[in-house]
Amino acid sequence: GQSLEQPSEVTAVEGAIVQINCTYQTSGFYGLSWYQQHDGGAPTFLSYNGLDGLEETGRFSSFLSRSDSYGYLLLQELQMKDSASYFCAVREDNQGGKLIFGQGTELSVKP
Amino acid sequence: DAGVTQSPTHLIKTRGQQVTLRCSPKSGHDTVSWYQQALGQGPQFIFQYYEEEERQRGNFPDRFSGHQFPNYSSELNVNALLLGDSALYLCASSFGTQAGELFFGEGSRLTVL
Repeated sequence: GQSLEQPSEVTAVEGAIVQINCTYQTSGFYGLSWYQQHDGGAPTFLSYNGLDGLEETGRFSSFLSRSDSYGYLLLQELQMKDSASYFCAVREDNQGGKLIFGQGTELSVKP
Repeated sequence: DAGVTQSPTHLIKTRGQQVTLRCSPKSGHDTVSWYQQALGQGPQFIFQYYEEEERQRGNFPDRFSGHQFPNYSSELNVNALLLGDSALYLCASSFGTQAGELFFGEGSRLTVL
């Protein structure tokens, strides 16, 4: 089967750093993406890792280890507006755009 | 530059009815994918359309069908609605079928009574 596991909830304070982990078990792997979703609105793309290593985009970084079937999203200098749900998503094949999403991690940023 | 637009934003149907949801992709995009998101869950892939053809399909029954028009807009049709079809239906667009980044609309929230 296919599964992605990530923590259901994470709480942190403003200005802190938080890491959201994602482990996956899929029949194939062509990349790991991260999306942010506020209050059931439109998911917004944050980052994509096709190869092992760290990708940095402003306050957000994402890491991938294909040998460990593991990745994480790192959020630095947390702001209240970062409170949202974060989803990791795997592309299993190169035939199309199907993404398999995790259940999501609800991040609460406290003052 | 308009992003992905979906209509209607909310709708209520009863069991057994049929529903059509509509999506206009972001300007310059030619590929549309549809996802179903139940409350508290991650989005689940329904299907993807490119060049007016269904290119890839997830584990959804034939009650779920779609269409893509020459202007790249798309429709999702669901027949014989079940209570379990209640969800947020998200449309995502991209340039090409294997783009690393998807642009999502705000979704259509369907409630089946």
